[in-house]
Amino acid sequence: EVQLVTSGGGFVQPGGSLRLSCAASGFTFSGYALSWVRQPPGKGLEWVSGISGVGGDTYYADSVRGRFTVSRDNSKNTLYLQLTSLRVEDTAVYYCAKGSAIFGVVVFDYWGQGTLVTVSS
Amino acid sequence: EIVLTQSPATLSLSPGEGATLSCRASQSISFYLAWYQQKPGQAPRLLIHDASNRATGIPARFSGSGSGTDFTLTISSLEPEDFAVYYCQQRYNWPITFGQGTRLEIK
Repeated sequence: EVQLVTSGGGFVQPGGSLRLSCAASGFTFSGYALSWVRQPPGKGLEWVSGISGVGGDTYYADSVRGRFTVSRDNSKNTLYLQLTSLRVEDTAVYYCAKGSAIFGVVVFDYWGQGTLVTVSS
Repeated sequence: EIVLTQSPATLSLSPGEGATLSCRASQSISFYLAWYQQKPGQAPRLLIHDASNRATGIPARFSGSGSGTDFTLTISSLEPEDFAVYYCQQRYNWPITFGQGTRLEIK
């Protein structure tokens, strides 16, 4: 059974930093691209960042490029998102999502439960 | 960036009725469109990929169609558990984008 367990969310002031983690199991971790997708309270889905299966290719939404960094440790079956220079508008539930292929623009066939990041003064 | 526009924003129907949800892309995306269902407090669930292919375990009452810029998700006969928010997503190019969602509510 595929499982994606997300952690690391919390309350942070504007300008602060957080690191999110997503621990995966139930599939060959290095064989699939992964992404982070966020959802502000009461709003729709926004793709944030993606990484290929072997980690050589990374992609970012314009809204987070230069502030967020995606990475993965295939030896630990874990995906990360380092969030820096946080803004109030980054407040959202952050989901990790498993892609349908090892690289490229994918669909998401499994999702984690999400972790809430709240940015406020 | 490819913009996906979903319509209607809200659809009010009764169990047993059929539902038709639309997604229009700002440029041709071939058949590279997916549909997701999201219930309150839950993560999205993949329903349809590549316009018309049901994901694993998705009931046959869900079907997708379309290509180019216009796509449709059809639910043939609504079950109580189908009332939720539905999103489309394109995988034609980066950045991945989602539509703003259609809320399917009980009439």
